[in-house]
Amino acid sequence: DTAVSQTPKYLVTQMGNDKSIKCEQNLGHDTMYWYKQDSKKFLKIMFSYNNKELIINETVPNRFSPKSPDKAHLNLHINSLELGDSAVYFCASRRTGSTGGLWGGYTFGSGTRLTVV
Amino acid sequence: GQQLNQSPQSMFIQEGEDVSMNCTSSSIFNTWLWYKQDPGEGPVLLIALYKAGELTSNGRLTAQFGITRKDSFLNISASIPSDVGIYFCAGQLAGGYQKVTFGTGTKLQVIP
Repeated sequence: DTAVSQTPKYLVTQMGNDKSIKCEQNLGHDTMYWYKQDSKKFLKIMFSYNNKELIINETVPNRFSPKSPDKAHLNLHINSLELGDSAVYFCASRRTGSTGGLWGGYTFGSGTRLTVV
Repeated sequence: GQQLNQSPQSMFIQEGEDVSMNCTSSSIFNTWLWYKQDPGEGPVLLIALYKAGELTSNGRLTAQFGITRKDSFLNISASIPSDVGIYFCAGQLAGGYQKVTFGTGTKLQVIP
């Protein structure tokens, strides 16, 4: 009954490979996110989907491609992995309210530690 | 872009001491959030603040939304060993789809 679950937890791969990280949430939230946390623990948003539509797309290399088959799932595919892609990738979700007013904070997954060698 | 700077960057305290940390922004936010991240886990929401000047508590934690809307503060009273972790502030502008920007983090170590 994990709220936001990511797989795999750890991923070690060679440069140049293609890999995917999967995320699923069972909270009924309508918006999902991918964040990257670097070695200095800085959390930077990469993408956001609302009801399967891309709404935030930060300056991320186009080797990173998110896919949301439904509003409970958001996957991240990375092509031609580079050493600098090594980081912890967090999936998060929340319920967005109407514009303004109170809204729920993010619920994060436990992260996927990607190591590119 | 917006930047959120947290201070201190890290701190060591004795168990039982009170802790204060703050977060400052180069621009205004409509919502301030405080998260805690334990090793090997994702951040967990501690407190959310929605109004300038608001003071909100969650157990031993108290956070305030600064009057200028460019800063926020988190206090932890009577620290215990399980308070160890990284504390992040985060800010968001109004509007459901506005992204949340995270601060640089404050790493807290508690000496038993």
